[in-house]
Amino acid sequence: GQNIDQPTEMTATEGAIVQINCTYQTSGFNGLFWYQQHAGEAPTFLSYNVLDGLEEKGRFSSFLSRSKGYSYLLLKELQMKDSASYLCAVKDSNYQLIWGAGTKLIIKP
Amino acid sequence: DVKVTQSSRYLVKRTGEKVFLECVQDMDHENMFWYRQDPGLGLRLIYFSYDVKMKEKGDIPEGYSVSREKKERFSLILESASTNQTSMYLCATKTGRVTGELFFGEGSRLTVL
Repeated sequence: GQNIDQPTEMTATEGAIVQINCTYQTSGFNGLFWYQQHAGEAPTFLSYNVLDGLEEKGRFSSFLSRSKGYSYLLLKELQMKDSASYLCAVKDSNYQLIWGAGTKLIIKP
Repeated sequence: DVKVTQSSRYLVKRTGEKVFLECVQDMDHENMFWYRQDPGLGLRLIYFSYDVKMKEKGDIPEGYSVSREKKERFSLILESASTNQTSMYLCATKTGRVTGELFFGEGSRLTVL
């Protein structure tokens, strides 16, 4: 079967750095997405990785290792507004998205 | 900016009622999707559509149907609502069939009593 694993919940301190991991076992791989979802709101696109390595976008970076079936989202200089759920999704060999359950990130002052 | 609008943010229905959830997008995207989101589970695809009048079953189509009469509008229909259909329903659109990211509406939280 296809599976995406992410931690259920993480807590970090304002101003710090946090890494949210995502591991996957899917039938084929055509890219990995990260989305941010604030409570009661729509998920919004953060990043897309299809090749190995690190993609940096401001305070957020996303890393992919296809051989390990692993990705992480790195958030730097955490702000209170970063409190949200972070969703990992993999595009499989049929270009269908397989979603993780999401990681709820709690930022404390 | 892409705007995806879902007709109702919150609905409360009784078991056996027919429920319509509407989604309208303003960016001329061909691809539209209906997902449901439940605690502890990843988003699950109910139905999707790549063109007007066209629909494809997703992973959990049972108990649902859809309608795409116009490009900008994709409706999800629960013919006879059941309590296990209590959930958050998310509509999404994207440009390319295999490429591009999803743009989501704000969701419709349905409670079936």
